[in-house]
Amino acid sequence: QSALTQPASVSGSPGQSITISCTGTSSDVGRYNYVSWFQQHPGKAPKLIISDVNKRPSGISDRFSGSKSGNTASLTISGLQAEDEADYFCSSYTTSRPVVFGGGTKLTVL
Amino acid sequence: EVHLVESGGGLVQPGGSLRLSCAASGFAFSYSWMYWVRQSPGRGLVWVSHINSDGSATTYADSVKGRFTISRDNAKNTLYLQMSSLRAEDTAVYYCARVTTSGWQIDYWGQGTLVTVSS
Repeated sequence: QSALTQPASVSGSPGQSITISCTGTSSDVGRYNYVSWFQQHPGKAPKLIISDVNKRPSGISDRFSGSKSGNTASLTISGLQAEDEADYFCSSYTTSRPVVFGGGTKLTVL
Repeated sequence: EVHLVESGGGLVQPGGSLRLSCAASGFAFSYSWMYWVRQSPGRGLVWVSHINSDGSATTYADSVKGRFTISRDNAKNTLYLQMSSLRAEDTAVYYCARVTTSGWQIDYWGQGTLVTVSS
């Protein structure tokens, strides 16, 4: 059972927008802005797409955006493309250990 | 380009030992904090251990404390995880990951190495 809660799956059609939630507690997501999102294609290393709640690393498309409200962080992908189909997971700093993770969300592009 | 390549995984019997390595390239390894993180189907992603840039400070998840030891050789740009008294629940893909300079978050991961603990 993961420390942060994500939906197991989401889906959307090309061109649409989807949002993935990541719910934690006041000891992690709610307290710190050290929330990250990663994309992982099968058999590949995870790739950072959002850090510090809403910052995109160099080279990451502006179709990816992050936000936070209370104990819940969110990743929004706009203008869905076939290559966005992957697993996405969140992470957060926490008072009890350096990092905790969400269980991951499988994005299907219909 | 940042590159992290894990090795050393495999099949080991309960109670056995294994040493994982993570070869780093493309960045100033000796200035970077590093994590080991593991991923198993039943437990998802779990942070295992952290080490600071010169190896003088380390922390561990309660589940591995006293059994696992993280270390690094900055001259060889290599991170290690010595695992002993292995249990079935240690079965997972083990990733090494670089910590951002802003602190605590991961910016690069390796592709992982599979450790299977079974008789």
